[in-house]
Amino acid sequence: KQEVTQIPAALSVPEGENLVLNCSFTDSAIYNLQWFRQDPGKGLTSLLLIQSSQREQTSGRLNASLDKSSGRSTLYIAASQPGDSATYLCASGGGNDMRFGAGTRLTVKP
Amino acid sequence: EAQVTQNPRYLITVTGKKLTVTCSQNMNHEYMSWYRQDPGLGLRQIYYSMNVEVTDKGDVPEGYKVSRKEKRNFPLILESPSPNQTSLYFCASSLAWAGREQYFGPGTRLTVT
Repeated sequence: KQEVTQIPAALSVPEGENLVLNCSFTDSAIYNLQWFRQDPGKGLTSLLLIQSSQREQTSGRLNASLDKSSGRSTLYIAASQPGDSATYLCASGGGNDMRFGAGTRLTVKP
Repeated sequence: EAQVTQNPRYLITVTGKKLTVTCSQNMNHEYMSWYRQDPGLGLRQIYYSMNVEVTDKGDVPEGYKVSRKEKRNFPLILESPSPNQTSLYFCASSLAWAGREQYFGPGTRLTVT
């Protein structure tokens, strides 16, 4: 059974810093890896989707990578801003479901 | 606008009183699913549907029912809610059942007293 882990659980950085969020998964037989953002009490907003055949995806200041052989994905956020403060979730896409990590709560201080 | 909608957004009810949370998507997606989110436990899948009239259990189906009579709608039914079903519920949809980006609804916060 797929297990998805995100470390650290919480991260606080000053504005402008580049940062990396980590996601690891136990079963490399995935269809995709998706990163989400969740603001307090709100729904999940999809940030990036990496198909199993891809190595990375980029959107603006965000870059996500996928290494299936090591069971890892990273989300890189460049030049962080206070508006980036949120919880970031990664999820591995299997045949009929998604397995979510517990999330990393990011705080960007002005 | 492409979206997944859920209603109600907030609900407080009492033990044993049947309720339905509706979910609708306007993207002609085949795959739909329900999740619950609890502190410390993350998101867990309740039920999913790969197409009309095709539903299956996720990780935590006990106490819940679903139906998929139309492609766009996937209601979640709690026949006899209990306090341990107090949670934040999300509906999601995607174009197909594997390898596709999932879109989430805004969530329904349910409190059962």
